[in-house]
Amino acid sequence: LAKTTQPISMDSYEGQEVNITCSHNNIATNDYITWYQQFPSQGPRFIIQGYKTKVTNEVASLFIPADRKSSTLSLPRVSLSDTAVYYCLVGVPYNAGNNRKLIWGLGTSLAVNP
Amino acid sequence: DVKVTQSSRYLVKRTGEKVFLECVQDMDHENMFWYRQDPGLGLRLIYFSYDVKMKEKGDIPEGYSVSREKKERFSLILESASTNQTSMYLCASSWRGDEQFFGPGTRLTVL
Repeated sequence: LAKTTQPISMDSYEGQEVNITCSHNNIATNDYITWYQQFPSQGPRFIIQGYKTKVTNEVASLFIPADRKSSTLSLPRVSLSDTAVYYCLVGVPYNAGNNRKLIWGLGTSLAVNP
Repeated sequence: DVKVTQSSRYLVKRTGEKVFLECVQDMDHENMFWYRQDPGLGLRLIYFSYDVKMKEKGDIPEGYSVSREKKERFSLILESASTNQTSMYLCASSWRGDEQFFGPGTRLTVL
């Protein structure tokens, strides 16, 4: 099973672009890469999901190189409200009878400073 | 918007008590999950259910059981609570393999 490794913490300033990299050397062919955001006293919230190359939505971009052994979540122009823990997940999302696992990383605590 | 609700935000129980944690989702999702979250350990899956009365063990099922009698409701049961089950418990639901929607969590303290 794939194992995910991500930095424990990062610091940034308002208006900067933040890139959080996750390594997953043992990623399997069918595995997707997903990122969640979690604020204190709340459950995680889905940010973005991808399989290869680049995915972009209204809040973030996800860059995945050709070998898929790592991925980078990019947050453009962060604000104070982006201070949160960001989790990288690798695996095939659960489905009926699907025994494949989603492997959660331990999370990156991002602090955005004024 | 999908809404996942959990029966309590905070719960204090004594060692040996039977504890029920309830989770309800309002979007007709097939999949429901129970996780526990501990500092330094991230999220760990306890149980997963992909249909009514269907369940699968996650990574740490020992000391827990689950019940899913209706599609919208997934209960986590601690048959005999112990202090090492003090944790944040998170419920989630998803439509097949899509993103998981999480509830606000229940912080359980076992004395």
